[in-house]
Amino acid sequence: AQKITQTQPGMFVQEKEAVTLDCTYDTSDPSYGLFWYKQPSSGEMIFLIYQGSYDQQNATEGRYSLNFQKARKSANLVISASQLGDSAMYFCARGQTGANNLFFGTGTRLTVIP
Amino acid sequence: DTAVSQTPKYLVTQMGNDKSIKCEQNLGHDTMYWYKQDSKKFLKIMFSYNNKELIINETVPNRFSPKSPDKAHLNLHINSLELGDSAVYFCASSLRQGASTEAFFGQGTRLTVV
Repeated sequence: AQKITQTQPGMFVQEKEAVTLDCTYDTSDPSYGLFWYKQPSSGEMIFLIYQGSYDQQNATEGRYSLNFQKARKSANLVISASQLGDSAMYFCARGQTGANNLFFGTGTRLTVIP
Repeated sequence: DTAVSQTPKYLVTQMGNDKSIKCEQNLGHDTMYWYKQDSKKFLKIMFSYNNKELIINETVPNRFSPKSPDKAHLNLHINSLELGDSAVYFCASSLRQGASTEAFFGQGTRLTVV
């Protein structure tokens, strides 16, 4: 089964603090990609960060970093110095080798508290 | 300069009607997708096209028919709309097929069937 699990339906974080959003996945593929997307209340899907299964280093993009633990099949998103504009739904997704689509988790709603 | 644009953004229609959603990408990408996001925010692939050819057709009623006149366009036509078709439909594109390629999403079309 191509399961992507996000165990936190909702998270709260104080402005300027860091927060970790959890994601675990199921796969027997040796090669795959992991993605995080942000969906603000306006509804669009915004690509944040990508991690390849063979990448030696954890991906970083500005305030976003991905804590990739391959043996545990986890790809947690870390947002540092949270801002009010970070309040949104966050989706973890996995790309499948040989297929042409992303499998998405159920999402985590992050609320940043001033 | 919208990279992936879909129209309309909102669509309200009666049961039994036929409607279309248009999608265009100006990124020069080879691969385009349609995803459906249900009321619980779960995103699932419907169709995937690569260079105008259908690659993925998930378990979607045949009332849904994608059409790709060229690789920059992937339209979705829906016949005999049902109440259960109410959802947000996202068009997306990626540079190429494969597990390591991020998808860029349109702003979504919120379809409401009454």
